[in-house]
Amino acid sequence: NAGVTQTPKFRVLKTGQSMTLLCAQDMNHEYMYWYRQDPGMGLRLIHYSVGEGTTAKGEVPDGYNVSRLKKQNFLLGLESAAPSQTSVYFCASNVIGSGVRNQPQHFGDGTRLSIL
Amino acid sequence: DAKTTQPTSMDCAEGRAANLPCNHSTISGNEYVYWYRQIHSQGPQYIIHGLKNNETNEMASLIITEDRKSSTLILPHATLRDTAVYYCIVRPNYGGSQGNLIFGKGTKLSVKP
Repeated sequence: NAGVTQTPKFRVLKTGQSMTLLCAQDMNHEYMYWYRQDPGMGLRLIHYSVGEGTTAKGEVPDGYNVSRLKKQNFLLGLESAAPSQTSVYFCASNVIGSGVRNQPQHFGDGTRLSIL
Repeated sequence: DAKTTQPTSMDCAEGRAANLPCNHSTISGNEYVYWYRQIHSQGPQYIIHGLKNNETNEMASLIITEDRKSSTLILPHATLRDTAVYYCIVRPNYGGSQGNLIFGKGTKLSVKP
């Protein structure tokens, strides 16, 4: 049972380059999220998705795009990477609450991205 | 902004109980208290959550005050592997944007031999 898998685990980019981070979950979760974490800080939500084909902006969406073409995958794209986007990126997923108790988010182990 | 207040750091002796406090004085009636932890270089790990009753699972216990303005996470027998940053988060009981987690800076718990 893999849970939430993020690829790649590490990447170094030059300013202006583009790349896509992949998040895959095998738990049939409806909701998926992308967060970033900077040194000494908590996680901040970039974008999220409430289901296949839907995406929405989070707290810090600028400079990022996302797509949810398949239920199990959530992609985070950087069209033109900037040094300010150097961070650790975490993906998470969970099921929709049944109306009684929402299920907790399950996180991947992160992608460490450096922009030079 | 995070809706919770936690101490920046705490120490605990190995084998003793670790009691991590959290203040959430503005919590709403439909908001749950969630606890996650993050061990160095790993993704956050869910620990426990509750609404108003005390909760216990295989990892920890959660004690919520009667007025729900504060709570305490208890690790009954802390081990060195429990060294981590612990996040207390309040969130509504439904998904979507309203249900997203807002992480503060958490409490850095150091378990010492």
